[in-house]
Amino acid sequence: NAGVTQTPKFRVLKTGQSMTLLCAQDMNHEYMYWYRQDPGMGLRLIHYSVGEGTTAKGEVPDGYNVSRLKKQNFLLGLESAAPSQTSVYFCASSYSWGRQPQHFGDGTRLSIL
Amino acid sequence: DAKTTQPNSMESNEEEPVHLPCNHSTISGTDYIHWYRQLPSQGPEYVIHGLTSNVNNRMASLAIAEDRKSSTLILHRATLRDAAVYYCILNSGGSNYKLTFGKGTLLTVNP
Repeated sequence: NAGVTQTPKFRVLKTGQSMTLLCAQDMNHEYMYWYRQDPGMGLRLIHYSVGEGTTAKGEVPDGYNVSRLKKQNFLLGLESAAPSQTSVYFCASSYSWGRQPQHFGDGTRLSIL
Repeated sequence: DAKTTQPNSMESNEEEPVHLPCNHSTISGTDYIHWYRQLPSQGPEYVIHGLTSNVNNRMASLAIAEDRKSSTLILHRATLRDAAVYYCILNSGGSNYKLTFGKGTLLTVNP
């Protein structure tokens, strides 16, 4: 089972460039999430989705946009990258919220120069 | 939001049991207690979760205090592969879709 797959695994951008991070899950989960993790810190929720076609803001949404056009995919976009967005980005999915665990991808390491 | 408190680090020897504590004195009645761990350069991995009763699975056991204000993750026989950061997280399952990861406990396992 692939589980949660994130692409790309690494990326270096220049300030002001744009890019999209892709998250794909093959578990038919309704809920999907994007987190960022900065050095020595826990994960912080950026955006999440409770189903196909829906998205909502998490704890640190500024500078990011998301889309969930297909149930299995959740895209995270940076329209104009800033050095403060240098981080490791994790995608996760879950069958439901609360009782069910979240399944995480291996992360995308993004550096903004 | 209800918060959790964990020791910054703990150390164990291989093949010995490990008890990782978590305090959550402001837990609400609907909060599930989840444990995740994160190995270096990997995404968090689900370990176990519970609501009121103690739970066991192939990875670990979760002991929940009767008043639910604290819990303990038990690794019965630590291996070198268990060296990771362990996060104790409360999930209310309500409309506040926020899973708050603190700094967790860094577990070192000595051979």
